[in-house]
Amino acid sequence: DSGVTQTPKHLITATGQRVTLRCSPRSGDLSVYWYQQSLDQGLQFLIQYYNGEERAKGNILERFSAQQFPDLHSELNLSSLELGDSALYFCASSVVGGSTEAFFGQGTRLTVV
Amino acid sequence: KNEVEQSPQNLTAQEGEFITINCSYSVGISALHWLQQHPGGGIVSLFMLSSGKKKHGRLIATINIQEKHSSLHITASHPRDSAVYICAAKGSGGGADGLTFGKGTHLIIQP
Repeated sequence: DSGVTQTPKHLITATGQRVTLRCSPRSGDLSVYWYQQSLDQGLQFLIQYYNGEERAKGNILERFSAQQFPDLHSELNLSSLELGDSALYFCASSVVGGSTEAFFGQGTRLTVV
Repeated sequence: KNEVEQSPQNLTAQEGEFITINCSYSVGISALHWLQQHPGGGIVSLFMLSSGKKKHGRLIATINIQEKHSSLHITASHPRDSAVYICAAKGSGGGADGLTFGKGTHLIIQP
């Protein structure tokens, strides 16, 4: 158990809908990262938050957004969903970011039908 | 072009064999991670390296910064080692702290 909790584990929704994925980092970790793993693209970095503020953006679509709350949990919002958004979405946390070790949640499997 | 390349893509071996998975990266990094992903999908962080060598049980990870190359070794391999092994690099410049991932090595250890 990495200590990072993601909910829900599975999500099935229709095209055009909006969903919210939730991540609770390990106790004491200030940095939260979101990653997408799809069959064709592999694992890709989406966005990082550090202590409530956006720190870095990767390959995140404009239809996607995220935030980190004062209690340090984070949410990834995916809107206007398309079939191609079906993927595993992982959250990871680390103490401060940089070169510190990251711990991964179990992922949320999103299926868009 | 992916900046992190892994080889081989697929590897099938017999139980007890010594396994080596290679990872090359094209830019300077501050750290390299080795991750393990089981069929259920969960990702476990095995190692984080910035220099030298680390060992944990039957797993050994090495990195050569000058050659921009890292290897993951498994000694006395066992069927439970069957998984996808992914290397991921964190850049040394400013900007994104996120990782850049290799495509993964799908390892099967046969009894």
